[in-house]
Amino acid sequence: AQSVTQLGSHVSVSEGALVLLRCNYSSSVPPYLFWYVQYPNQGLQLLLKYTSAATLVKGINGFEAEFKKSETSFHLTKPSAHMSDAAEYFCAVSGNAGNMLTFGGGTRLMVKP
Amino acid sequence: DSGVTQTPKHLITATGQRVTLRCSPRSGDLSVYWYQQSLDQGLQFLIQYYNGEERAKGNILERFSAQQFPDLHSELNLSSLELGDSALYFCASSVRGKADGYTFGSGTRLTVV
Repeated sequence: AQSVTQLGSHVSVSEGALVLLRCNYSSSVPPYLFWYVQYPNQGLQLLLKYTSAATLVKGINGFEAEFKKSETSFHLTKPSAHMSDAAEYFCAVSGNAGNMLTFGGGTRLMVKP
Repeated sequence: DSGVTQTPKHLITATGQRVTLRCSPRSGDLSVYWYQQSLDQGLQFLIQYYNGEERAKGNILERFSAQQFPDLHSELNLSSLELGDSALYFCASSVRGKADGYTFGSGTRLTVV
């Protein structure tokens, strides 16, 4: 079985500040991990993915995430928030046979001017 | 454009009615997944098809059914609709292999009145 917990359903940062969105996972097999972003009235777009290569993964729009096995975490960061980063972010894990993704509950990021 | 096409984009229907949502996967993708997204339930996995065969089932109601056709497009049928079925319904597709993640369509917003 696998599961994802995203700590904080809402996160608010000021423009230019560090963005940190937390994700912890549970998986009985070595996981593949993903971050998706959803802008209002749109589908989910893949930001980045960890597939057992480098533990620090760089994605689009300046985001990156670090896989920490000892902490079962895959937190998403961006050094400097931009107004256009305001969206909902979903962490997901794939670990079962096949490629089923299990999603976390999502974190809504708000960016203040 | 993600390559996953969902139609219609919006649907308004009355309680008790039946609707069909359509999804064309990205070229080359054999797996299709259906998700329901609502404010109270988040992203809920409904069902997966792989190359025409049902592969996994999630929290899909008995009033809902789906199929994947030989050309790999998929349809999600929702019947005896209730107010609580109002949600965004997403289709996603992937190639075989758990490192790939999903490519999402832009969704169908269903409103039951």
